[in-house]
Amino acid sequence: SQQGEEDPQALSIQEGENATMNCSYKTSINNLQWYRQNSGRGLVHLILIRSNEREKHSGRLRVTLDTSKKSSSLLITASRAADTASYFCATSGSARQLTFGSGTQLTVLP
Amino acid sequence: DSGVTQTPKHLITATGQRVTLRCSPRSGDLSVYWYQQSLDQGLQFLIQYYNGEERAKGNILERFSAQQFPDLHSELNLSSLELGDSALYFCASSVGLEGPGYTFGSGTRLTVV
Repeated sequence: SQQGEEDPQALSIQEGENATMNCSYKTSINNLQWYRQNSGRGLVHLILIRSNEREKHSGRLRVTLDTSKKSSSLLITASRAADTASYFCATSGSARQLTFGSGTQLTVLP
Repeated sequence: DSGVTQTPKHLITATGQRVTLRCSPRSGDLSVYWYQQSLDQGLQFLIQYYNGEERAKGNILERFSAQQFPDLHSELNLSSLELGDSALYFCASSVGLEGPGYTFGSGTRLTVV
């Protein structure tokens, strides 16, 4: 079973716009990670935020974490066509493995 | 190239058959994780090995088994294959027992016909 849900399931925006994806999870976590997957390819690690952090930045990515609401958001600023991919959140908690959300399919139109 | 190598990239086999998927972790990583990605189930954790020993088990069917060898490469064996086993199978590795960073391979796409 999956840890949580991502919202929206699909998002289509114009190049240059910002994209925001949300992730909700169910159990307590040590950290939350975001991954990108291009169609049928492997997962690429984007960013990790620890449970005691509230916000983290990496280039055009901004991740927030609200442990009281068990939710996280990923913001991609100034999106590019190359950002088109599926984005997954994954949590790491008492269980050693990552538990993935259902993913958001982002399409950036040129 | 992520440093995690999975072979083969594609595999087509018939129902009832047995296949072996192979994973070589990134240099220095002791943990290997196997995940299955299918359209209906999403990304599901199957099993983890750390330095040759099984350390965590997820939604792995009894028809599936895995092992990690002394050189740290891992194999996932899938037997009595069914149509529903068609999926992408990913291997990931990490330095420690609990990550925190995980590096994924590019996956093996298994098609059961």
